[in-house]
Amino acid sequence: GQQLNQSPQSMFIQEGEDVSMNCTSSSIFNTWLWYKQDPGEGPVLLIALYKAGELTSNGRLTAQFGITRKDSFLNISASIPSDVGIYFCAGRPQGGSEKLVFGKGMKLTVNP
Amino acid sequence: EPEVTQTPSHQVTQMGQEVILRCVPISNHLYFYWYRQILGQKVEFLVSFYNNEISEKSEIFDDQFSVERPDGSNFTLKIRSTKLEDSAMYFCASSRDRSYSNQPQHFGDGTRLSIL
Repeated sequence: GQQLNQSPQSMFIQEGEDVSMNCTSSSIFNTWLWYKQDPGEGPVLLIALYKAGELTSNGRLTAQFGITRKDSFLNISASIPSDVGIYFCAGRPQGGSEKLVFGKGMKLTVNP
Repeated sequence: EPEVTQTPSHQVTQMGQEVILRCVPISNHLYFYWYRQILGQKVEFLVSFYNNEISEKSEIFDDQFSVERPDGSNFTLKIRSTKLEDSAMYFCASSRDRSYSNQPQHFGDGTRLSIL
């Protein structure tokens, strides 16, 4: 159904390393969004993708909307300590729905 | 930068009591949403609201839940008779236009609801 499988669930990296995470689904999504959540706060929008194949950057972040419309990835380059947090993918299902379906999140730890 | 603001940040309520969670969406936004996140789980959609009516709701949003825009700025979620399983973070979100008009949803910092 309209579920997003996000992987990996957690990552421990050294400062300066790159990190990749992705979301897949068996359903088609018309929009993919990547959010970051810090403890005690709400999800903050990082990147929004609206077209299949779209590749978008926001500083050290790069995300792509998969051609099949069933997947997306997010890359963070040259990680820094403040990148620590939980990263969520979210998608808007095909069919005119307003809702966002969220992945389970990836907890990122960056060791200085 | 404009933000979605939510109050209170933490609400503790006895089971069976009514609770109202409040949100002030971004001022030029027209579409409003409530989501919840049970501890350790993913964020789940509850309801979307436009032009003073519900436009979509999930199976979670049963008769115990209601939403209202009582004035020009506030957007509220009411849980009529709270249950233990209603304990969660509740997030309000807003967008300038419909999601399929390429307008992203922006989230508030949430209200942590604890049911005793």
